[in-house]
Amino acid sequence: AQKITQTQPGMFVQEKEAVTLDCTYDTSDQSYGLFWYKQPSSGEMIFLIYQGSYDEQNATEGRYSLNFQKARKSANLVISASQLGDSAMYFCAMREGWNDMRFGAGTRLTVKP
Amino acid sequence: EPEVTQTPSHQVTQMGQEVILRCVPISNHLYFYWYRQILGQKVEFLVSFYNNEISEKSEIFDDQFSVERPDGSNFTLKIRSTKLEDSAMYFCASRDVTGQGARSNQPQHFGDGTRLSIL
Repeated sequence: AQKITQTQPGMFVQEKEAVTLDCTYDTSDQSYGLFWYKQPSSGEMIFLIYQGSYDEQNATEGRYSLNFQKARKSANLVISASQLGDSAMYFCAMREGWNDMRFGAGTRLTVKP
Repeated sequence: EPEVTQTPSHQVTQMGQEVILRCVPISNHLYFYWYRQILGQKVEFLVSFYNNEISEKSEIFDDQFSVERPDGSNFTLKIRSTKLEDSAMYFCASRDVTGQGARSNQPQHFGDGTRLSIL
C-alpha cells in the first residue's frame, strides 16, 4: 500500500510568490517522522525540513515551512518568496519508528521569472 | 560540513557483469542505506545496514544484490550479473542515531549518487 502520496506531479509558481506542495501519508504508528527533500536537475538529494509526529509546532527552516495536520495525515511543504533556484523535484518522505524512510513520487516545481 | 561521498559518479557496465558501488558515509553515523532512482521515477529504498548487518531490505534487494562494510569507512553495494533494468541512479545515505529522538527524527544525508548505465 502506498504510504506517502504526492498528488501534484508538477507545479508552477511565479517568482517571489509562495507555493504549497502537498503530501499525505498513511501510518498506524504513533511515532513517525516526516521529511522533505529537494532534488535539483543535478541529481543530488538535499534535506530541507523535518516534522516529528509529536511536535506541536509546525517546523520552519528559513523560507521552508511544513503545514502539519496530524488528524488529516498531511504534511504540506510551503515555500515562501519562491526563487528561480527553487525549481526542482521535491520529495516527501516518512520514517515510522525504527523503520526506514520511504519516499513519495515527487512533485516537480517550476518557478517562472 | 561533513558529507556522504560516492564513487564513481558514473559507471558504465556491460550486461551480465558485476559492479561495485562505493560510499563513504559521514564518519560518526551508524545507519547506512542504499536507494535507487530509475530515471524520472521515485526514490526507492533498497537496504539499510546497522551494526554490521542488514537491518531491513526491500523486495528489490534480491540475491543479485549484496552490501558490505569492508573497513571502518567504506560501505559498498555489489550488483552481480547486471541487467538492463538495473540502470538507475544509486544513492547512498547515512544517518546519526545518537541523541534524543533517535528513533525517528534524524534525516538521512545523501551522497550525490552513482549513475549506473548497463549496456
